[in-house]
Amino acid sequence: EAQVTQNPRYLITVTGKKLTVTCSQNMNHEYMSWYRQDPGLGLRQIYYSMNVEVTDKGDVPEGYKVSRKEKRNFPLILESPSPNQTSLYFCASSRGDEQFFGPGTRLTVL
Amino acid sequence: EDQVTQSPEALRLQEGESSSLNCSYTVSGLRGLFWYRQDPGKGPEFLFTLYSAGEEKEKERLKATLTKKESFLHITAPKPEDSATYLCAVQPGWSYIPTFGRGTSLIVHP
Repeated sequence: EAQVTQNPRYLITVTGKKLTVTCSQNMNHEYMSWYRQDPGLGLRQIYYSMNVEVTDKGDVPEGYKVSRKEKRNFPLILESPSPNQTSLYFCASSRGDEQFFGPGTRLTVL
Repeated sequence: EDQVTQSPEALRLQEGESSSLNCSYTVSGLRGLFWYRQDPGKGPEFLFTLYSAGEEKEKERLKATLTKKESFLHITAPKPEDSATYLCAVQPGWSYIPTFGRGTSLIVHP
């Protein structure tokens, strides 16, 4: 089954404790991206990647890092999480203009 | 700055009662306008991409149209399973970063 998977689905952590949210796709897509979704705001892109070893900032990259060492994986790294990074995070991959989203990771930073 | 405004924020319909959702946008050089459906607790699901004014696309009970300033998502004879939040997004030709609206929450009562 073609899909984008994210882990973990839910995470509660404390300020300053480094964490990684993994994202993997099995569709051989070149383009992958990360979004955050907050109440009252639209989805906002954090980072995107056009291909292996090619990443670029989206609209809200502060406090986040990404890497793209393999085509299928695109992890999101929060090196020192803060409470304002409490949000619902989505990973996506694209075939042309059709984006496939993962199921989401709900992150709470205390 | 690209902007996307969706209206109404929420819409309640009776089963079979057709209606339209609006997406007004401003963007510097539209590359594409996207419609997604998002069910509670899930990632957005791609519906349509529209590229130029006058373009229309259909899928089951949904029909998306595009002008130079707005897009409509027409829902004909909706069913309860059409209940979801519908998201609109635009992407300019010079960027890989889409701008999303806040969405319209649609509830269809049986």
